[in-house]
Amino acid sequence: GQQLNQSPQSMFIQEGEDVSMNCTSSSIFNTWLWYKQDPGEGPVLLIALYKAGELTSNGRLTAQFGITRKDSFLNISASIPSDVGIYFCAGHPMEYGNKLVFGAGTILRVKS
Amino acid sequence: GAGVSQTPSNKVTEKGKYVELRCDPISGHTALYWYRQSLGQGPEFLIYFQGTGAADDSGLPNDRFFAVRPEGSVSTLKIQRTERGDSAVYLCASSRQGGDTQYFGPGTRLTVL
Repeated sequence: GQQLNQSPQSMFIQEGEDVSMNCTSSSIFNTWLWYKQDPGEGPVLLIALYKAGELTSNGRLTAQFGITRKDSFLNISASIPSDVGIYFCAGHPMEYGNKLVFGAGTILRVKS
Repeated sequence: GAGVSQTPSNKVTEKGKYVELRCDPISGHTALYWYRQSLGQGPEFLIYFQGTGAADDSGLPNDRFFAVRPEGSVSTLKIQRTERGDSAVYLCASSRQGGDTQYFGPGTRLTVL
């Protein structure tokens, strides 16, 4: 089945630093989504990308849909303690437009 | 408006027992999805409903797993003869239509002893 390779697996950053994480796939995706999950909660949508090359911002978050449709990145600028959590990339594979395929997640820990 | 709700939030059962997990989607959302999330992993797709019918059940791991959505709103995920490997968080999501943005519930944490 489709797999999304998400990196890094985890990271410690200093408060105020910028953060970058990315996701790659061997197959084409129609959409790319970035979710954040806090302990005991379901994933919450941060940014949705629908077109190759699209660059979208949501506050301090910026994400891009790769031009090849096989990758995406998420940047967080000026990180703060509440950015702690697990970030997942997800996408709709071209062949199966309805189900979401998720990456394994990036655990973000902030040093205050 | 209210988001996706799931009950119970936690379920502990013994190996071999039957369990039912409930999902109440966002009002007006015709598409409903079930995912399973194991520790340290991302959610994995189980089944997708469009209205009352299961449009894609390719993610159900075996015939012990079954889901229904009889009136096109609330859905129940049913697991027979539970095994320890079924322990996970079961997430439900809904969207306005199939392929639209999915909104997730808080999940049900299932523990099989």
